[in-house]
Amino acid sequence: DTGVSQDPRHKITKRGQNVTFRCDPISEHNRLYWYRQTLGQGPEFLTYFQNEAQLEKSRLLSDRFSAERPKGSFSTLEIQRTEQGDSAMYLCASSLASSYNEQFFGPGTRLTVL
Amino acid sequence: DQQVKQNSPSLSVQEGRISILNCDYTNSMFDYFLWYKKYPAEGPTFLISISSIKDKNEDGRFTVFLNKSAKHLSLHIVPSQPGDSAVYFCAAGTSGTYKYIFGTGTRLKVLA
Repeated sequence: DTGVSQDPRHKITKRGQNVTFRCDPISEHNRLYWYRQTLGQGPEFLTYFQNEAQLEKSRLLSDRFSAERPKGSFSTLEIQRTEQGDSAMYLCASSLASSYNEQFFGPGTRLTVL
Repeated sequence: DQQVKQNSPSLSVQEGRISILNCDYTNSMFDYFLWYKKYPAEGPTFLISISSIKDKNEDGRFTVFLNKSAKHLSLHIVPSQPGDSAVYFCAAGTSGTYKYIFGTGTRLKVLA
């Protein structure tokens, strides 16, 4: 399978704990995106990488959130001191760098904060 | 401020008939639009896109229509099949953008 993969698929944690999610994009894609989706909403943009450079962070991404993409390959999204409001589906997508780019999504990581 | 709106949360259609899903946007700078389909427990899957230089794009059973003056786009599925039952999201962005703004989705149910 050469699509976007995410790990873990599900994560249940207690409030105040730290969690880290991983995304492996399609190998030839140099753009990688993180989105968050809550119930009844569409995906909301969180942040974006071109190769290893993080080029934009949404205001939704508070100081407790950090994302990295070392070496321009896989990416990690860490949430520190989780809150119940962080419960959501976290989606990763990747694309080629072109003017019109279709983003290909992974299956997502569903986070539940108790 | 919801820049991309899908005002119908759900739609039911008989198998073989046409499904029409609608999407409105407010930002006149948007010039690229996409439709994604999402099954439960899966990520969104790209369906079809259209740039603002066109008013129609067709791919098999799927056709997207764009009305720039009305800031409205629609997805037509003909004929509808039970396997088309999913949540459909429209998304919009500007050329060269690295992020898309998604609507809230329309749940399509195709009845056998």
